[in-house]
Amino acid sequence: AQTVTQSQPEMSVQEAETVTLSCTYDTSESDYYLFWYKQPPSRQMILVIRQEAYKQQNATENRFSVNFQKAAKSFSLKISDSQLGDAAMYFCASQNYGGSQGNLIFGKGTKLSVKP
Amino acid sequence: GAVVSQHPSRVICKSGTSVKIECRSLDFQATTMFWYRQFPKQSLMLMATSNEGSKATYEQGVEKDKFLINHASLTLSTLTVTSAHPEDSSFYICSARGTGIPEAFFGQGTRLTVV
Repeated sequence: AQTVTQSQPEMSVQEAETVTLSCTYDTSESDYYLFWYKQPPSRQMILVIRQEAYKQQNATENRFSVNFQKAAKSFSLKISDSQLGDAAMYFCASQNYGGSQGNLIFGKGTKLSVKP
Repeated sequence: GAVVSQHPSRVICKSGTSVKIECRSLDFQATTMFWYRQFPKQSLMLMATSNEGSKATYEQGVEKDKFLINHASLTLSTLTVTSAHPEDSSFYICSARGTGIPEAFFGQGTRLTVV
């Protein structure tokens, strides 16, 4: 069975600084996707970044980047130049490469606080 | 990204009544929709997966007769909580995925309170 582990229940970062959120996963599949979702106080789930397991290059979206270590089954999220609006719950998730059928497996989340 | 609309955003109902939550994909065809439940300060718990035109697949421990899911079209799925009780009070979230699109897009969620 797939599992996703986020070992940091809470993290804090100073505005404009960089923070890294950790995530490890376990899957027996060779093809899969990894995601980071953000859930602000509004509770709307927002996709932050996506990584295909077959791609060696780490995904990047503006201030958000990942460090994908496939052998170690690690998928950390780095937020650069942190902004107050980055404060939210961040969920790491994995999904088998099953076309539209595969469902997301979520970690327990990391609550990120941004200090002004 | 694609837009998924979920309604209502909040609902209060009396114990014993039923309540329906709608999830619509506004600008794409959702071949698969997912329903989650989220307790305060916890992660999302998958309740069921539905494919257009077929019966939903429920996760272990989820009562299919209590949480009725219908996915009658490629843009609409509904979750009906039947004979609601206070313990059903929670935050329910839907997500939708289209063919060839790996990521799922989420609705705004529905806060259900059963009194």
